[in-house]
Amino acid sequence: SQQGEEDPQALSIQEGENATMNCSYKTSINNLQWYRQNSGRGLVHLILIRSNEREKHSGRLRVTLDTSKKSSSLLITASRAADTASYFCATDRAGAQKLVFGQGTRLTINP
Amino acid sequence: EADIYQTPRYLVIGTGKKITLECSQTMGHDKMYWYQQDPGMELHLIHYSYGVNSTEKGDLSSESTVSRIRTEHFPLTLESARPSHTSQYLCASNTDRGYEQYFGPGTRLTVT
Repeated sequence: SQQGEEDPQALSIQEGENATMNCSYKTSINNLQWYRQNSGRGLVHLILIRSNEREKHSGRLRVTLDTSKKSSSLLITASRAADTASYFCATDRAGAQKLVFGQGTRLTINP
Repeated sequence: EADIYQTPRYLVIGTGKKITLECSQTMGHDKMYWYQQDPGMELHLIHYSYGVNSTEKGDLSSESTVSRIRTEHFPLTLESARPSHTSQYLCASNTDRGYEQYFGPGTRLTVT
């Protein structure tokens, strides 16, 4: 089975609100990454958090990692219509050197 | 924008045809990957390569094959396409020491 599971599967909010997505995984990891995918396109890397980090910021993005619960969250603050996309977490399992992707959260920002 | 390219972007072919999906990157990355993604679903790794003449099968069994004769080029071939191969195929690459993967725009394949 896949390493990562994300919730919610879909999220619809108003522009300006904050969006939070969660990711859970099953095995030990080196790092966890978040990617964005616009409809019908490839993925774009957003942020990486290492297993020894608890929180990381990049612009309007805030990522947390709780290795004891094997979970991560991605917060997008002050959402914009351009943030509409699918967001995937991906784990780099310890010793594997390969990414395993979650099922993704489809985020819709309503103007 | 990442310097990784995929052609064609869209392909509609009949059952039994042989096809090759092209992937090229100009970043000099040693590692390259092929993922399969159904609409609205997660990515599944089907092939990867850590350098020239190195190819491995991924986590998802696939009837496709790959080759890595040049660092910048990682084509995927289906000898006989079937409707079950209908999907989006994404190519990605990264450096030997990097974790972030750079993705191409994808090829959406439809087999009729």
